[in-house]
Formats: sequence, structure tokens, C-alpha cells
Amino acid sequence: QVQLVESGGGVVQPGRSLRLSCAASGFTFSSFGMHWVRQAPGKGLEWVALIGYDGSNQYYADSVKGRFTISRDNSRNTLYLQMNSLRAEDTAVYYCARENYSGYPGYWGQGTLVTVSS
Amino acid sequence: QLVLTQSPSASASLGASVKLTCTLSSGHSSYAIAWHQQQPEKGPRYLMKLNSDGSHIKGDGIPDRFSGSSSGAERYLSISSLQSEDEADYYCQTWGTDIHVVFGGGTKLTVL
Repeated sequence: QVQLVESGGGVVQPGRSLRLSCAASGFTFSSFGMHWVRQAPGKGLEWVALIGYDGSNQYYADSVKGRFTISRDNSRNTLYLQMNSLRAEDTAVYYCARENYSGYPGYWGQGTLVTVSS
Repeated sequence: QLVLTQSPSASASLGASVKLTCTLSSGHSSYAIAWHQQQPEKGPRYLMKLNSDGSHIKGDGIPDRFSGSSSGAERYLSISSLQSEDEADYYCQTWGTDIHVVFGGGTKLTVL
């Protein structure tokens, strides 16, 4: 059974950094691409980043490019999102998701809340 | 520019059927999409991949009450025998250029 558990959220001041983690279990983590998707309070889903199964390729939404870095440790079955220069508009619940065999975000975690506020 | 357009809200009665629509922007009518469901206070759940010819592949454990169809640039999600737990937000999603994921704005379904 695929399980994805996000952690690392919290309250952080504008301009500061935060690192999110996503612990994966129930599947061969090193075989699948992984996404981060966020949802601002009361808003819809916004894709943030994608990393290939072996970590060699990363893709980012324009809104976070240059500030956020997606990475993975396949030996620890863990996905990361390093968030730097945080802004108020980065306030959201952040979800990790695993690609399915059709290439879409097929399995989702429950999310971790990041609040950027002074 | 690739845009997915969804109506903000829809409603239907318990036990009835409903059809939600996702419209692909001009020039993108051949794109496949995915449908995701998000129940209140929960993470999203993948429902299905829907191709331009209407063929679809559902995710693990998705009931037969959920089905997809297509017509031109429109992609549909149909839910029959509506249950209270179907009250949720429904998002369509596809792939844009440069390996970017695009979501529609979502439709909030109310079961009356």
C-alpha cells in the first residue's frame, strides 16, 4: 500500500528558509518520479515541482524557480523540498505525490501546512 | 497557452447523476487529462486518466460509478448514484510544455 507522509511544515518569517520532507513506503521509491503540489488556503491546486526517479532531472513552476529545490534520497525513501526566500504567497498546504504508470500524480500524501508570516 | 477551464460549482441530488466538464484551451484538444477528487480536509485522490478518444484508466479502488468521456476539447467526469461522500472538489490536470503540470481551477460538487 502506497504511503506518503509529509513533514516539516510550520510558521516561518518572510525571507527565511524551510525544508519539507516526504517519507515514502509501500513501493519501490527509486522507480518513480515525484511531485510537490501546493494549495493556498481556500484555493485550488498549484503544481510546484517534479523530480525524476533517479534525481537527475528537476522541473519547477515559474512561481518558485530559483527559490525552491526539489531533491530525493533513494536510500532513505525520502523526497525533499528546500524552500528559500519564502514569501507570504507561499503560504499553503504542500502535498507530495507519486507518479503512476500513466505518468500522472497517482498517489497523494495528506499534506503539511507552511505559513509564511511575520 | 495551455489552460484548463472548469465551472466553479455544481450540484445534484443524492442518488442522481452528474457530469462535470473540463475544457482545454484552443489548440490543445488532443490532450489527455487526469481527474482528481479532493474531499473536505483531505489530500487529493487520483480518479482516472482520460484520453481524447474517451478511453480512460481508473486509479486503484475507484468505483464503477465514476467514468470519463470526451468530445473535442471537452473532458467529462460522470458520477452516477451520487453518495454523500462524493461531495468534494474535482480537479482536472494535464501536462503543459517543458514538463509542467497544469491544473484546472476545480469544481466544487454539492450533493443535495
